[in-house]
Amino acid sequence: AQSVSQHNHHVILSEAASLELGCNYSYGGTVNLFWYVQYPGQHLQLLLKYFSGDPLVKGIKGFEAEFIKSKFSFNLRKPSVQWSDTAEYFCAVSSSASKIIFGSGTRLSIRP
Amino acid sequence: SAVISQKPSRDICQRGTSLTIQCQVDSQVTMMFWYRQQPGQSLTLIATANQGSEATYESGFVIDKFPISRPNLTFSTLTVSNMSPEDSSIYLCSVVTGAGTGELFFGEGSRLTVL
Repeated sequence: AQSVSQHNHHVILSEAASLELGCNYSYGGTVNLFWYVQYPGQHLQLLLKYFSGDPLVKGIKGFEAEFIKSKFSFNLRKPSVQWSDTAEYFCAVSSSASKIIFGSGTRLSIRP
Repeated sequence: SAVISQKPSRDICQRGTSLTIQCQVDSQVTMMFWYRQQPGQSLTLIATANQGSEATYESGFVIDKFPISRPNLTFSTLTVSNMSPEDSSIYLCSVVTGAGTGELFFGEGSRLTVL
């Protein structure tokens, strides 16, 4: 069965700092990978996704993620965070069965 | 994209009662799912709602506790039966459209509090 691990439960950064959130998955077959964001009081929104092609994926709001197949990883990055990036970030994976499984989430707090 | 409406948006329920949550999508969709997000936690997939047949449940979830209907390609219901305080959660309907993107769209969710 597929699973997703996010090792950072809570990350605290100052504005303008660089961000990298880890995501590892376990599944032996072809996968689609996603990062979703949940701002306080709002519902989940898609940040970016990887299906195939260039393993470096660019999403909204300056976020990007890199798929490293050999490491089963799909880490999220942003070179310079803003206070408005304060949110919960979820990595997710889907397989040929199409259902999407979410990681435990990483809470990002940005100090102004 | 898809616009998903859920009813009720929130409710307070008594222990032992049951509540049915409705999910309406503005277009026909191939895949519909029900997730649960307990306070401060991630999303857990409850089941895949299959049109015209029984839902496919994930480990730890059973039909007697969470009966699901999906009579057509735009509508589904989830019932939380014989509720206990541990069922207090946000229940989310989500869909994958037929556009082939695989992206999951979410409704606003139904926040249930069980006393």
